[in-house]
Amino acid sequence: KAGVTQTPRYLIKTRGQQVTLSCSPISGHRSVSWYQQTPGQGLQFLFEYFSETQRNKGNFPGRFSGRQFSNSRSEMNVSTLELGDSALYLCASSLVPGEDTQYFGPGTRLTVL
Amino acid sequence: SQKIEQNSEALNIQEGKTATLTCNYTNYSPAYLQWYRQDPGRGPVFLLLIRENEKEKRKERLKVTFDTTLKQSLFHITASQPADSATYLCALKTGANNLFFGTGTRLTVIP
Repeated sequence: KAGVTQTPRYLIKTRGQQVTLSCSPISGHRSVSWYQQTPGQGLQFLFEYFSETQRNKGNFPGRFSGRQFSNSRSEMNVSTLELGDSALYLCASSLVPGEDTQYFGPGTRLTVL
Repeated sequence: SQKIEQNSEALNIQEGKTATLTCNYTNYSPAYLQWYRQDPGRGPVFLLLIRENEKEKRKERLKVTFDTTLKQSLFHITASQPADSATYLCALKTGANNLFFGTGTRLTVIP
């Protein structure tokens, strides 16, 4: 089975722009979670989607949003980018929410200039 | 406030020795604790899970202990090899189904 794929792998944007990142879960997995990883804060949970519905949300401003499509693929969007949004954005999939094991993709490295 | 601390940012050990990594937490009530390995440029890879009512778990050269009184988990790699060099992350799953990660320990095994 193919693993979790994320596109693009690298992205450079400027302050004030918006960005959309994409995640394709492992085939058959219906739950997708998004995380932000920075050197200072580590891995922080953004949100979780299942059956096209957001089930859980971390403590991030409303500029961070996401959605999930009927094929379980997910996108996250960050509007009005700030320098502090520079990070590795990871998505992870599992069969259903609450599964003990989730599988991470390679991440999208976002740099905001 | 809630905190998850991994003992050191970096740990160097000699090949063949046992590496011991520490994860301490405050103000969490974890349902279970997980350990992940992360290599540069890649996402974390799940290694082991230990539940609140378990004291120890093993998988090949890996061993995890969990002490809910001390609020601490220890992660051991025995007979360490240079290929074990990576960043290791602990993560707590709470009853609210949220997963919280530590900032990781970068392990280097010196040949």
